[in-house]
Amino acid sequence: EDQVTQSPEALRLQEGESSSLNCSYTVSGLRGLFWYRQDPGKGPEFLFTLYSAGEEKEKERLKATLTKKESFLHITAPKPEDSATYLCAVRPGGSQGNLIFGKGTKLSVKP
Amino acid sequence: DTEVTQTPKHLVMGMTNKKSLKCEQHMGHRAMYWYKQKAKKPPELMFVYSYEKLSINESVPSRFSPECPNSSLLNLHLHALQPEDSALYLCASSHQGGGYTFGSGTRLTVV
Repeated sequence: EDQVTQSPEALRLQEGESSSLNCSYTVSGLRGLFWYRQDPGKGPEFLFTLYSAGEEKEKERLKATLTKKESFLHITAPKPEDSATYLCAVRPGGSQGNLIFGKGTKLSVKP
Repeated sequence: DTEVTQTPKHLVMGMTNKKSLKCEQHMGHRAMYWYKQKAKKPPELMFVYSYEKLSINESVPSRFSPECPNSSLLNLHLHALQPEDSALYLCASSHQGGGYTFGSGTRLTVV
């Protein structure tokens, strides 16, 4: 069964304290792993797509990496405005475009 | 235009009402999706449309009726809903194999 597990469920950081969020997955034929940011009451905002092991993408303070079993979202020197829920999703092989989402990591960054 | 527009942003309806949610995109995406998201949970897939044809219905109750009038529009018709159907309803679109662009959602409350 295709499955996505994110850890930790919640993460509290001080401003400037770097850390990583984990997304482990079990999927039949990965056709893409996606990271989203979601603010309360809003739709998810696309961050990154990764397709193959070893791939890395960066955007401002965020860097996403991918292995054959998991992905990491590294946050360098976070700011309070980085506080949000971060969702990981995978597209299995043979899917009709639908994504399978993890439960998310709620990140809080205190000044 | 790189947005998915959902209307209305908020909706309160009684259990005997009929209402519709609307979603529009002009990015040329040929896949469109409806997701339901309860508080502190990840989005759950409801329907997938590919080239204006319904390709996935995730065993959604018939009180939810999707419609795709053309490649830019997606509707979700609501009838005889229950209070437990209160949630954030998200529309998304994508190129084949690409990441989703989500709308900001409709916050639905059933009273």
